[in-house]
Amino acid sequence: NAGVTQTPKFRILKIGQSMTLQCAQDMNHNYMYWYRQDPGMGLKLIYYSVGAGITDKGEVPNGYNVSRSTTEDFPLRLELAAPSQTSVYFCASSYSLGTALSTNEKLFFGSGTQLSVL
Amino acid sequence: LAKTTQPISMDSYEGQEVNITCSHNNIATNDYITWYQQFPSQGPRFIIQGYKTKVTNEVASLFIPADRKSSTLSLPRVSLSDTAVYYCLVLYNFNKFYFGSGTKLNVKP
Repeated sequence: NAGVTQTPKFRILKIGQSMTLQCAQDMNHNYMYWYRQDPGMGLKLIYYSVGAGITDKGEVPNGYNVSRSTTEDFPLRLELAAPSQTSVYFCASSYSLGTALSTNEKLFFGSGTQLSVL
Repeated sequence: LAKTTQPISMDSYEGQEVNITCSHNNIATNDYITWYQQFPSQGPRFIIQGYKTKVTNEVASLFIPADRKSSTLSLPRVSLSDTAVYYCLVLYNFNKFYFGSGTKLNVKP
């Protein structure tokens, strides 16, 4: 079972470069999320999506863009990389009935992408 | 936006029971309380989830008092492999999962 797959695992960017972090899930989950985790810190929500064609901002969206054209894929785009974006990026997904304010949800995480901007 | 408060770190010895308490004073009526475990260089992993009273699974127990303003994750007889960061989450605004800083548990031999 693949679950949530992230690529690449490691990447080094120069300041000002752009790149896309890929995330795919094969569990037919309608909710997907992007988090970043700085060294020794907790996870911060960047963007999330409640289904194909629908995305919304999390805590720290500046400098990032997302799209959700299919249920399976949720890529994260960095347009002008900055040293402050050096972090580990985690993609996650969850299944939701989408009817209740708070539901019995479980997040499934990918293995992460370690990004360094120099 | 942080809705939970946990100790930054805890130390324990192998074989001991570990209790990690999380404060969530502003929990909403329908919110669930969820705990995740994260090992270095890995994504967090679901441990346990509850709404009220006590929940137990093969890994841990979760105790939630009647007012639901706090919860306690209990790990029975910890081993070195339980050394990890433990996060307490309360759902905020429908499916926005916000992680706090977590509790770094260090299990010593």
